[in-house]
Amino acid sequence: EAQVTQNPRYLITVTGKKLTVTCSQNMNHEYMSWYRQDPGLGLRQIYYSMNVEVTDKGDVPEGYKVSRKEKRNFPLILESPSPNQTSLYFCASRRQGTSNSYNSPLHFGNGTRLTVT
Amino acid sequence: AQSVAQPEDQVNVAEGNPLTVKCTYSVSGNPYLFWYVQYPNRGLQFLLKYITGDNLVKGSYGFEAEFNKSQTSFHLKKPSALVSDSALYFCAVRAMDSNYQLIWGAGTKLIIKP
Repeated sequence: EAQVTQNPRYLITVTGKKLTVTCSQNMNHEYMSWYRQDPGLGLRQIYYSMNVEVTDKGDVPEGYKVSRKEKRNFPLILESPSPNQTSLYFCASRRQGTSNSYNSPLHFGNGTRLTVT
Repeated sequence: AQSVAQPEDQVNVAEGNPLTVKCTYSVSGNPYLFWYVQYPNRGLQFLLKYITGDNLVKGSYGFEAEFNKSQTSFHLKKPSALVSDSALYFCAVRAMDSNYQLIWGAGTKLIIKP
């Protein structure tokens, strides 16, 4: 089954304790992205990656890191989490290889609800 | 600045009635427009898209959307609502001069009452 898998689904941590949220896709998609969802704000992009070893900042990258060493994986790293990073996080992927791929829909994981106290 | 607006935080519709979820956008150039749906405790799912051509596009679960260039709108519609359509709906636009990244609306909560 084609899917984007995020882990964990729920995470409660304390300020300053480094954490990683994993994301893996099995569709051989070049493009992957991280979003955070907050009430009334919709989805805001944190980082995205057009392909292996290529990452770019989205709209709200501060306090986050990513890496793209393999095509299927795109982990989100919070080196020193703070309470304002409490949110619902989504990983997504899509094809990115041809001029038409900008029309391709995103495939989303089921989300990671992060609480930082 | 490029933006997407979903003017209604919540839309309430009786089951069997037609529904409309509104979306307007402001981007430079020709937009690619998308609708996604989010069910509770799930990620977003793609519903439909407008790229070019016929202004009325059909998508999953009986939904359709009408692109109106003069009004810069892309409203989501369904002729007869189901209780199972209750969810959070997001409009998004991809513009060429936004480095092809999606710009998202804030979402509209659709509640279908039996």
